[in-house]
Amino acid sequence: GQQVMQIPQYQHVQEGEDFTTYCNSSTTLSNIQWYKQRPGGHPVFLIQLVKSGEVKKQKRLTFQFGEAKKNSSLHITATQTTDVGTYFCAGDFGNEKLTFGTGTRLTIIP
Amino acid sequence: GAGVSQSPRYKVAKRGQDVALRCDPISGHVSLFWYQQALGQGPEFLTYFQNEAQLDKSGLPSDRFFAERPEGSVSTLKIQRTQQEDSAVYLCASSLALAGHSYEQYFGPGTRLTVT
Repeated sequence: GQQVMQIPQYQHVQEGEDFTTYCNSSTTLSNIQWYKQRPGGHPVFLIQLVKSGEVKKQKRLTFQFGEAKKNSSLHITATQTTDVGTYFCAGDFGNEKLTFGTGTRLTIIP
Repeated sequence: GAGVSQSPRYKVAKRGQDVALRCDPISGHVSLFWYQQALGQGPEFLTYFQNEAQLDKSGLPSDRFFAERPEGSVSTLKIQRTQQEDSAVYLCASSLALAGHSYEQYFGPGTRLTVT
């Protein structure tokens, strides 16, 4: 079936260090979205990437979509305690519904 | 404006009971999605509506699960004869998505279902 794999499952970083999570699909995606879920909360939309090779930035967050539209990454520069949470990628295979990755749980060591 | 709301926020059901979970999407949002999220996992797609039409129900785990959106706004997810494996958080999301393209989804707070 259509699956979206995400690594790593967990990431513990010192405050101020960088963080990256990677997302991979076995088949080409129509677009990919990223969501953040705080502990005890619900997923909150961060960004959508549509074009091959697209790069988007939101302050300290950089999102990339691969040339083949099969992989994506989220990079956070100089993490802060407010970045704590689980980051999910969610792929659209062209059927309008999202297939979520397993998520990367980010914890920050002050 | 108001976001997506869900009720109840918490539901404890005895095995075999029927439950009904409600979702009020953002006004004007055409598409509505239901997801099941197990502890430590990502949301798993259950079903999707565009207005009142249920376009995809491929994620419903069994015929005990049924969803409806009769007037194209409020939606109800019903689970009959609940089993322990149904214990999870049920998330509802809505979006402005039109046919053929997905847009950002706005999630409700979820209903945490515990089957004892």
